[in-house]
Amino acid sequence: SSELTQDPAVSVALGQTVRITCQGDSLRSYYASWYQQKPGQAPVLVIYGKNNRPSGIPDRFSGSSSGNTASLTITGAQAEDEADYYCNSRDSSGNHLNVFGTGTKVTVL
Amino acid sequence: QVQLQESGPGLVKPSGTLSLTCAVSGGSISSSNWWSWVRQPPGKGLEWIGEIYHSGSTNYNPSLKSRVTISVDKSKNQFSLKLSSVTAADTAVYYCARIDSGYDQSYYYYYMDVWGKGTTVTVSS
Repeated sequence: SSELTQDPAVSVALGQTVRITCQGDSLRSYYASWYQQKPGQAPVLVIYGKNNRPSGIPDRFSGSSSGNTASLTITGAQAEDEADYYCNSRDSSGNHLNVFGTGTKVTVL
Repeated sequence: QVQLQESGPGLVKPSGTLSLTCAVSGGSISSSNWWSWVRQPPGKGLEWIGEIYHSGSTNYNPSLKSRVTISVDKSKNQFSLKLSSVTAADTAVYYCARIDSGYDQSYYYYYMDVWGKGTTVTVSS
């Protein structure tokens, strides 16, 4: 399958924890990567591999994976974390394709 | 560090060909990376268009494959996108990105660690 499904929107109170999930068959074979996108800006990589953060990404962002589901957790959400989040993975068909998740809008209350 | 910059016409006529270039600076396009194009229609999510390796090997989104050509120019350290027979549905912000990869505990992973700022392309007469 070449689809990655995310919940359209989630909300979190300031300082609380939110988990964003991404489901798809390809996640049984590949780790997802996660991207944060704020309005009018290019996406920014926040998590890749098993649970790796690029330099400059706060440690409140973490990733995990189980079966066909990948998760991005923000522990102690800040106002600046309000954004769209997309997962991404290789397709497991063996055709060297790439697929993005449907995206999740995170609102920090 | 590596930076990417998209360039090309911001307006393309219907049935025409969209042509964009991504210039790579601060690094070599001949590194062990794939180079990708991603687009985002207004108000919608990200869509992977395709990718290229410096050898010229390409992979394309099946939904666009019949209209897409991605090429590389190692002498100019850049890669390009051509999308033919465009319609209003191809109006989007187009991004170029670098793909890196790794392997950890029996899982491969790929990620786009460097992105261009994006360029808006409108298809209209």
